[in-house]
Amino acid sequence: GAVVSQHPSWVICKSGTSVKIECRSLDFQATTMFWYRQFPKQSLMLMATSNEGSKATYEQGVEKDKFLINHASLTLSTLTVTSAHPEDSSFYICSVLGARGSGEAFFGQGTRLTVV
Amino acid sequence: AQSVTQLDSQVPVFEEAPVELRCNYSSSVSVYLFWYVQYPNQGLQLLLKYLSGSTLVKGINGFEAEFNKSQTSFHLRKPSVHISDTAEYFCAVTRNDYKLSFGAGTTVTVRA
Repeated sequence: GAVVSQHPSWVICKSGTSVKIECRSLDFQATTMFWYRQFPKQSLMLMATSNEGSKATYEQGVEKDKFLINHASLTLSTLTVTSAHPEDSSFYICSVLGARGSGEAFFGQGTRLTVV
Repeated sequence: AQSVTQLDSQVPVFEEAPVELRCNYSSSVSVYLFWYVQYPNQGLQLLLKYLSGSTLVKGINGFEAEFNKSQTSFHLRKPSVHISDTAEYFCAVTRNDYKLSFGAGTTVTVRA
């Protein structure tokens, strides 16, 4: 399966600043990537679908101006949390959609964001 | 839209005992079903998946699950657990758009 790497694995930032999280597909050309958010002791919630070379598709209730997604190449998608606030503190996880028909997604190790 | 219900939020179990994690889903169309495991501060690792074919699916680390269409269930089982199986387990479903909907998760704690 695909190997997915997220960077950084954890980050602490001040309220009002922006943070960029990278998701790299190391051995697979990822046309589609997904970004999830997970609060403590809760499940993963899909934030957006990132498509290479086009605009991301956001789920209902997710602010597209706050969570900027860029998928400029087949191996890299980035999520930028703009003007971060403490309520944005969460665990962010990306996944790469595997081969069509496999139905399988491969997940990064996640990024723990803490806004102080 | 599809939804997933994991009936047990926490499952304590003794080492070498069997375990079953329950998962029910609701969907008006055919779905694909998955079980993932998450260790602390890590991403998700696929245990097994059901796309079509045999309703009994075998996965990694000795886990298996059975798809029951009439009961809309996809329960996960392991006949003998190890300490290393202590983790969070998520059931997930998707349609052919591959957007995963996750259950709330089940915390499995294995004790010696």
